[in-house]
This record gives sequence, structure tokens and C-alpha cells, in this order.
Amino acid sequence: GENVEQHPSTLSVQEGDSAVIKCTYSDSASNYFPWYKQELGKRPQLIIDIRSNVGEKKDQRIAVTLNKTAKHFSLHITETQPEDSAVYFCAARRLIIQGAQKLVFGQGTRLTINP
Amino acid sequence: NAGVTQTPKFQVLKTGQSMTLQCAQDMNHEYMSWYRQDPGMGLRLIHYSVGAGITDQGEVPNGYNVSRSTTEDFPLRLLSAAPSQTSVYFCASRDGGATNEKLFFGSGTQLSVL
Repeated sequence: GENVEQHPSTLSVQEGDSAVIKCTYSDSASNYFPWYKQELGKRPQLIIDIRSNVGEKKDQRIAVTLNKTAKHFSLHITETQPEDSAVYFCAARRLIIQGAQKLVFGQGTRLTINP
Repeated sequence: NAGVTQTPKFQVLKTGQSMTLQCAQDMNHEYMSWYRQDPGMGLRLIHYSVGAGITDQGEVPNGYNVSRSTTEDFPLRLLSAAPSQTSVYFCASRDGGATNEKLFFGSGTQLSVL
């Protein structure tokens, strides 16, 4: 089955600097890679996702890159702000049958933005 | 829309007790799932369902049962609670289509088994 490794487990950056979180996956058939953000005491929420036919995707200060050959993908946050402090989860999924998916999450990265 | 609603928010059980975690969604989503969240281990899939009457196992199904009698509800049953099941449980749903894969999570249930 799919295995997703996420690094680092904790990351502390100065406000305004960039943050990068990396994930590797094991199943070459995985074709969808979302990132979820979980603020303290809240539910996870999707912030960005990428499919295997695309190498990079941006949404304002957030970007995700995918390297299918190396089976890794990364989340990039630029110009970090205090509200970016949260736990971030990467995930990878393979479509089993239409409508059925097994989404496997990484272990999470606790990002702290220091003022 | 209320989205995904989970009850209860907190629960304390004794070893061996059984209970049901409730999950309901009002978005007519075909796909529903249960995850448990443990420190340093991310979110692990327990069971999922692609529609009423259809369920399947995820990564960590042992000790849990599910059923899907309606599109809206997807309860998770702990048959005989064990301390290893102390965790935060999240229910999530999504549309069954292939183009919109966003998972909508409930607010979570914090379960402690003593």
C-alpha cells in the first residue's frame, strides 16, 4: 500500500520568510496530492492540491511542486504570516475504482511563525 | 448547510465499553470516511464508504465497525474499547465525482479510553 513520509515534523521560521515542507510517497500509481492545514483545535481544511499531470501549482503565497520521477512533492509558503502557524498534512491517493479512494496522509508538520 | 456534523465532541470510556460515534453530512456526498489522528502519526483511515450500503476497510480497521444505511449518516462503532483507541476521530466526506476531491471534515471527537 501507499506510504507517505513528511519532513520536517516541526518548522519554525521568522515572519516574512519562506517555509518549505516536503513529502515522499511510495506508490507510483498515486495521482492526486492534496495539502491540508489544521489550526489548533480545528478541523483539517484543504489549502491546495495537485494532480500528477501537473508539475507545479500556485495560489497566492502558497505553491506545491511535484516530482513524479523522484516521487516527492513539496509545499512552499512565501512571505509567511502569523496566521500561517498550524499543522500541515500532505497526502497521496490512488483511485481504486470510480468514487473510491484511499487517501494516505503524512505525519504532519507543525509550522510556527515567529514575529 | 451544516456540512459534516460529528457527535459527541468529547467522550470518556472504560476499557471494554462500546459506543457509537455519529457522523452526518447534508451535502449529498457519496463518499464518507473515518480517520483517527494520533500525535506524530498524521491522519489514518479507519473505514470508508462510496455510497449507501457500501463500506470498505482503511489502514487501521481493527476494533471498529461501520455501516452506511443512508447517504447522510456514517456511524463508527467501537465494539470493545481499548486504551489504544484513545485518539481524536474525524469524519470526512466528499462529492463522488472525479474532478472535485476536496474532503470536508467534521469538528472531531476526542475519545479517551481508561
